[in-house]
Amino acid sequence: EADIYQTPRYLVIGTGKKITLECSQTMGHDKMYWYQQDPGMELHLIHYSYGVNSTEKGDLSSESTVSRIRTEHFPLTLESARPSHTSQYLCASSPSRGAETQYFGPGTRLLVL
Amino acid sequence: GEDVEQSLFLSVREGDSSVINCTYTDSSSTYLYWYKQEPGAGLQLLTYIFSNMDMKQDQRLTVLLNKKDKHLSLRIADTQTGDSAIYFCAEDGANSKLTFGKGITLSVRP
Repeated sequence: EADIYQTPRYLVIGTGKKITLECSQTMGHDKMYWYQQDPGMELHLIHYSYGVNSTEKGDLSSESTVSRIRTEHFPLTLESARPSHTSQYLCASSPSRGAETQYFGPGTRLLVL
Repeated sequence: GEDVEQSLFLSVREGDSSVINCTYTDSSSTYLYWYKQEPGAGLQLLTYIFSNMDMKQDQRLTVLLNKKDKHLSLRIADTQTGDSAIYFCAEDGANSKLTFGKGITLSVRP
């Protein structure tokens, strides 16, 4: 069982609110990722990080931002949530060497009203 | 560019074998992966295969790789109701990022 955690698991908020989705892993992995999963199940990479102070945008443009101040922590922030941000957000991490075996957290399901 | 294709739905009877297929386009992938997602959960890594291998077996799971045709399959022997989930294949590519297929829903009926 991978040790990667996401909070909250479910979040319902109003339009315009600022939110932060938390992701933490205790495996010492350098690489971390945020994916957005739409209702059709497809996964879209929105952010990734290869280590502390390293962040990159993914393949899908997103209005969210991320930070990586500590190895174990990779929070995602939406400054002003909109209904179009309603989705499931999955965090993952992987070791630096060998196969790209990504371990996923349980996800945060976000509903913006 | 990288692209991974999967069909969307498969229904099998409990005890039968399931075969899930996937095609990919990036011939430079080092490993190919199978993930499982149960309802309300994140993805769970099931198995992965090095691109120079043809087959890998892990208990009830058998992965077949045809590198020439860029075709990957996952066979689940003696399928159980607990195997009902969404299955994603993935390939690694540039910058170690994974490209996932769209996922296939496996439904196991009694």
